[in-house]
Order: sequence, then C-alpha cells, then structure tokens
Amino acid sequence: GAVVSQHPSRVICKSGTSVKIECRSLDFQATTMFWYRQFPKQSLMLMATSNEGSKATYEQGVEKDKFLINHASLTLSTLTVTSAHPEDSSFYICSARSTSPGYIQYFGAGTRLSVL
Amino acid sequence: QKEVEQNSGPLSVPEGAIASLNCTYSDRGSQSFFWYRQYSGKSPELIMSIYSNGDKEDGRFTAQLNKASQYVSLLIRDSQPSDSATYLCAVRGAGSYQLTFGKGTKLSVIP
Repeated sequence: GAVVSQHPSRVICKSGTSVKIECRSLDFQATTMFWYRQFPKQSLMLMATSNEGSKATYEQGVEKDKFLINHASLTLSTLTVTSAHPEDSSFYICSARSTSPGYIQYFGAGTRLSVL
Repeated sequence: QKEVEQNSGPLSVPEGAIASLNCTYSDRGSQSFFWYRQYSGKSPELIMSIYSNGDKEDGRFTAQLNKASQYVSLLIRDSQPSDSATYLCAVRGAGSYQLTFGKGTKLSVIP
C-alpha cells in the first residue's frame, strides 16, 4: 500500500509553546489530507480536511486559530498546535487520500503530543 | 447525520476460529467501504476495501457488502493472536471526500 510519513512520532513540550507536525505522502500525490485526534480508548475524531492550495475546512468545535493547517504541496500538509496546553495532549494522526480510483485513505503513524 | 455502527466488543475468539465483525451504516447513498485495523497506541492500517455487493477475499480476510441491508462485514479465518486489535469500519458517501468511521470493535484472539 501507499506510504504516508508523519513526523515527529512523539513530542513533549512545555505549556505555551507551539508544535509543528508534518505529514507527507511518499509515493503518491494527495490533493486532500485529513487530520484526526484520538484520546485514549476513544474513536478517531476528524479535526480538519486539508486541500492543497486552499484553506483547510475545520470540523465544528475545532479552533482554526489554535490548530493551523497548511497544505503547501501535493505531498505535504502540516499541523501546528499553537500555544499548546495540557488538554491538547493527545494522539494526532494524519491521513492522505489517494487520487487513484478507490480514493483510499492511508494513515500516517501518528504523533503523540504531551504538553507539560 | 451519517452514522456507522459497530459492536464495541470485546469480541473474544479462540485461536484458529473465524472472527466475524459487523458494521451497519445509515447513508443509503454510500459508495465505498473500508476496514482498518488499529493496534493499541498505533494508527489505523487498511485491511480491505469493497465497493460492490458480494464478497471480496484477500488471504485470511473476507469483506462482505450488502447495500440493500446497509451492512458490511469482515471475516477473519484462522484467527491468530496477532489479529487482536480494534477493527474500524469506514464508509464514504456519494460525492464525499470524507470517511465516516465507526467506533470500532475490539477483537481478542485467545491462544
């Protein structure tokens, strides 16, 4: 299957700092990428849909000024958690949608964010 | 609102048995259906995709789709302890970019 690379895999930061997470589709172009958040023992929660060259579409309740998304190219989307607080600690997972028939979504390995 | 329903489990099966995972969806116009496996602390990985009614087999896995009943299932033959994970059913509606995920069924294969 297609490969989606997500970095970093784990980050620990102090409250008030910003953290950038990168998501790259390595062997296919992804005009659409998705960012999810998952708390322990809970299901995936879609945060936003990222389209190359345009503004991201955020789900209800997700603060766009706190979770900045930039989809600068067909293979790269970034999520920046600004002024992180302990309640932002979670597992963040990106997903890239293939443009091949079937339009399968492939997931990155996820980033575990811990805010102290 | 589009919904995807799964039994949360846990579903426990002995090693070597067939595990049957079920999923129903509310959007009758849904076109694409996926099963993902998620190990604890890891991200989801694609197991199967299915787009038309009937069965689709890949190794020990068989996906079954019945659009009339709005039902999709995943069978795992000769279950192994390494199959122990949470299985997520995902559905994409017609003309939609997004997948709607079920909450997942936790499968435990007992050695």
